[in-house]
Amino acid sequence: GQNIDQPTEMTATEGAIVQINCTYQTSGFNGLFWYQQHAGEAPTFLSYNVLDGLEEKGRFSSFLSRSKGYSYLLLKELQMKDSASYLCAGMDSNYQLIWGAGTKLIIKP
Amino acid sequence: SAVISQKPSRDICQRGTSLTIQCQVDSQVTMMFWYRQQPGQSLTLIATANQGSEATYESGFVIDKFPISRPNLTFSTLTVSNMSPEDSSIYLCSVVLGGWQFFGPGTRLTVL
Repeated sequence: GQNIDQPTEMTATEGAIVQINCTYQTSGFNGLFWYQQHAGEAPTFLSYNVLDGLEEKGRFSSFLSRSKGYSYLLLKELQMKDSASYLCAGMDSNYQLIWGAGTKLIIKP
Repeated sequence: SAVISQKPSRDICQRGTSLTIQCQVDSQVTMMFWYRQQPGQSLTLIATANQGSEATYESGFVIDKFPISRPNLTFSTLTVSNMSPEDSSIYLCSVVLGGWQFFGPGTRLTVL
């Protein structure tokens, strides 16, 4: 079956670094996506990995290991506005996204 | 990239009525998806709507409840029929363009 696992909730301190892990199982693989979603809003795209390694984009980085079925999203210099849910999604061979339940990130001052 | 608009942005409806949500894309796309996000939950795919063919529904969703139209490559509608409070949700239109997925702003539906 197809499955995405990520922690339900994480707490971090403003200015710190946090890593959100995701493991995936999909039928075929066309990439791994990370989205940010603030309460009541549509998800916004953060990153896309299809090859192994680290992709850095400002304060956010995403890592993929296809052999391990594993990805993480790394957020640096946390700001209060980073408080949101972070959704991991794997794209299968039919270009459909298999969604995780999301990780609620709480930032404390 | 793709710019997606949805109408209405939000609505409050009575039980037993129907609402049609429109999705307009600024690019021609083959694959268009409709998702639902119930309060506190992740996104759930309702159906895939490809132009020129019948929509493909996911398990738990049926055409009589969620009829979909896809008249051309830039437009689609999703109707939520015979609504009940359990249909209160955010409904999201999404497209895949160049291997990337883009989302509309969502339609927040409240059923009383």
